[in-house]
Amino acid sequence: EAQLLQSGGGLVQPGGSLRLSCAASGFTFSSHTMTWVRQAPGKGLEWVSSVSGSGGITYYADSVKGRFTISRDNSENTLFLQMNNLRAEDTAVYYCAKGGWTHAFDIWGQGTMVTVSS
Amino acid sequence: EIVMTQSPVTLSVSPGESATLSCRASQSFSSNYLAWYQQKPGQAPRLLIYGASTRATDIPARFSGSGSGAEFTLTISSLQSEDFAVYYCQQYHNWPRTFGQGTKVEIK
Repeated sequence: EAQLLQSGGGLVQPGGSLRLSCAASGFTFSSHTMTWVRQAPGKGLEWVSSVSGSGGITYYADSVKGRFTISRDNSENTLFLQMNNLRAEDTAVYYCAKGGWTHAFDIWGQGTMVTVSS
Repeated sequence: EIVMTQSPVTLSVSPGESATLSCRASQSFSSNYLAWYQQKPGQAPRLLIYGASTRATDIPARFSGSGSGAEFTLTISSLQSEDFAVYYCQQYHNWPRTFGQGTKVEIK
């Protein structure tokens, strides 16, 4: 069974950094684009970033460009999101998801809360 | 950026009735790369429909998607108690990928 297990997250001060991880199992990780989606409290879903299967191509939402970096380790079947210079408006539940290129997001992680507050 | 607009914002339906949710894109796209997701409180979204009309794995037949170009519809026939949730459409034709704001289907 395909699964995504997330870790990381927590409380961080404005301007701080955090790294999220997403461990994949049950599918050929390196063959699939992977994506991060977030959801602010009480709000809708917002696409954050996607990375190609090889890791060579990345896309970012304008709201995070230059501050967040998506990456992957295909030898460890793990997706990462490095978040720097965090702002209050980055407070959200962050989900990793399989897909995003020519495929919809068919597998989702359980989500991890990131709170940016002093 | 393709802006996705869903209507209505809230839909009140009695169990056993059907529900029709709409999703309009700010520009037409020929690929039909349109997905629908269901999200219940405290849970991750779940993929229901991809390619505008193809049900995802293990999704009941009462969920159906239709449409093309810039107008898409999700129909839920004979609503069950477990179907009351928020539904999002999403396009994966252009970058950035964009979601609609969601339609909440509530019990009438």
